[in-house]
Amino acid sequence: GEDVEQSLFLSVREGDSSVINCTYTDSSSTYLYWYKQEPGAGLQLLTYIFSNMDMKQDQRLTVLLNKKDKHLSLRIADTQTGDSAIYFCAERTVKAAGNKLTFGGGTRVLVKP
Amino acid sequence: KAGVTQTPRYLIKTRGQQVTLSCSPISGHRSVSWYQQTPGQGLQFLFEYFSETQRNKGNFPGRFSGRQFSNSRSEMNVSTLELGDSALYLCASTPDQSEGYTFGSGTRLTVV
Repeated sequence: GEDVEQSLFLSVREGDSSVINCTYTDSSSTYLYWYKQEPGAGLQLLTYIFSNMDMKQDQRLTVLLNKKDKHLSLRIADTQTGDSAIYFCAERTVKAAGNKLTFGGGTRVLVKP
Repeated sequence: KAGVTQTPRYLIKTRGQQVTLSCSPISGHRSVSWYQQTPGQGLQFLFEYFSETQRNKGNFPGRFSGRQFSNSRSEMNVSTLELGDSALYLCASTPDQSEGYTFGSGTRLTVV
């Protein structure tokens, strides 16, 4: 079955890089996603990567995918206080029954000035 | 373009009542999915609709149901509410299988 794991908490200083890690189990995953959730808000799509890619860069965000180890990471360069939030990784599985996202438990990122 | 719109934003209901939540996807998006978010269980998949058909269903009791209309708008219904149904219910839409899911702001349901 599908299972996604993330570390619970990350503290980082403003201006430093943040790296959030995620592992997943379903080898049939097609896309892997990173979402950001601020207090009282829904999920904001940050970026996603197709499962046959190793890396994707989008401004301050870099996603690395190690398909062999089923490991996904999100690097945020020059972390700002506005980056403080909960970050969720998710895998998308496409099966005969349809699609769904399976989310990790979320990593709370605290950016200290 | 307008995002995914969920109504209402907040809802308070009593145990045993039923509730209907609404989701309007981004124009042109034909797939709508629903997720439940709670502090204890995290984000869990409820169901997925595509072209008015339920295409996938999560592991929730039959009290949770949904539907999609011809204009792709979707509703989910929870009957005989329990305290444990208190959660943030999120709707997401996507145009096809190659795109990211865009989420709405959610409906926060409190059952008392």
